[in-house]
Amino acid sequence: QVQLKESGPGLVQPSETLSLTCTVSGFSLTSYSVSWVRQPSGKGPEWMGRMWYDGDTAYNSALKSRLSISRDTSKNQVFLKMNSLQTDDTGTYYCTRDPAAYYFDYWGQGVMVTVSS
Amino acid sequence: IQLTQSPSLLSASVGDRVTLSCKGSQNINNYLAWYQQKLGEAPKLLIYNTNSLQTGIPSRFSGSGSGTDYTLTISSLQPEDVATYFCYQYNNGWTFGGGTKLELK
Repeated sequence: QVQLKESGPGLVQPSETLSLTCTVSGFSLTSYSVSWVRQPSGKGPEWMGRMWYDGDTAYNSALKSRLSISRDTSKNQVFLKMNSLQTDDTGTYYCTRDPAAYYFDYWGQGVMVTVSS
Repeated sequence: IQLTQSPSLLSASVGDRVTLSCKGSQNINNYLAWYQQKLGEAPKLLIYNTNSLQTGIPSRFSGSGSGTDYTLTISSLQPEDVATYFCYQYNNGWTFGGGTKLELK
């Protein structure tokens, strides 16, 4: 069955870089796109960026200067790196399966990231 | 496109017909989905393309709308429907609404 699982540090220092990994199973990264979506506590989710099935990427314009998404298809993994973190980057980060850049049909369990010194 | 959901909090009784609204700042062209998020869980896709029910979702959930105005309806509220509901558009960029929290009266 389709599964996605995020991993990474739960605490990041302000101005540091966040690195997260999404490990997928049950589908191929060369057939489906994967998006990263984050959600501050008590607020609506925010689409961050996408790794297209063909290896191309797309980013939320508000985050583009700080964000990088890459992948390793041999390991079924998609990576997120975001630099210059601030306290308002605190929240839960999800990776999602993203068929055809429309809606997100499967989500990982999420990883809570706190930006604090 | 910005999405405004109303109400932000809705209290209803088991068996009630419940209607949640989502209004876009521009035409969404029916590229609208609804997600259900229970406490501590990831969002779950309920409806896509305005009115298509995702596999495995109970038929008491339905969606409708056009243009800038969209609605999620629960025909007979069940206790397990207590959650926050988000609308999401993918017509122009990808944005979520702020959510409607549904609780039992």
